Amino acid sequence: DGGITQSPKYLFRKEGQNVTLSCEQNLNHDAMYWYRQDPGQGLRLIYYSQIVNDFQKGDIAEGYSVSREKKESFPLTVTSAQKNPTAFYLCASSMVGQEAFFGQGTRLTVV
Amino acid sequence: AQSVAQPEDQVNVAEGNPLTVKCTYSVSGNPYLFWYVQYPNRGLQFLLKYITGDNLVKGSYGFEAEFNKSQTSFHLKKPSALVSDSALYFCAVRDMRIAMLTFGGGTRLMVKP
Repeated sequence: DGGITQSPKYLFRKEGQNVTLSCEQNLNHDAMYWYRQDPGQGLRLIYYSQIVNDFQKGDIAEGYSVSREKKESFPLTVTSAQKNPTAFYLCASSMVGQEAFFGQGTRLTVV
Repeated sequence: AQSVAQPEDQVNVAEGNPLTVKCTYSVSGNPYLFWYVQYPNRGLQFLLKYITGDNLVKGSYGFEAEFNKSQTSFHLKKPSALVSDSALYFCAVRDMRIAMLTFGGGTRLMVKP
């Protein structure tokens, strides 16, 4: 099946711990994105990448890091510097000029 | 910087009545515009897009949207609402020249029987 896969679906983080959210796509899309969604809120862009080995900060990049070593993979690390990481995280991918396809999301909770 | 505004947090409509969900945008270059729908605890599903061409765009599930360049708007419409249309709707914009995709704050649509 073609699509975009996020894992895990649920993730629990202890205070001061780094965690990495996985995002994989087999759609051969060039661009990939990470968004954060808080309850009842819109989507805020964390990072995006247009091509392999290149990525740009979005509106709320502080406390997060990404890598784009392969076209199909765009993992997001939530570092201990992110003071309020509890949220729903969505990954997406797209071709130029086309709609983005979204994964099913990862719900991160700090315990 | 590019941005999207959805001025209504919630839109209430009776089943069978027409619905409109508003969206205005700001972008430096020519825009690509999108509407998505989100059901609880799920990712976003694509509804329709404007890339170029006709200002009236038709999409999935009977939805349509009208691109108005002078008013920088891209309102979502449907002639007859269904209870099953109740969900969270997002408008998004992308400058043709870059990959950055920006979303609005979302509008909750409530369709009552």
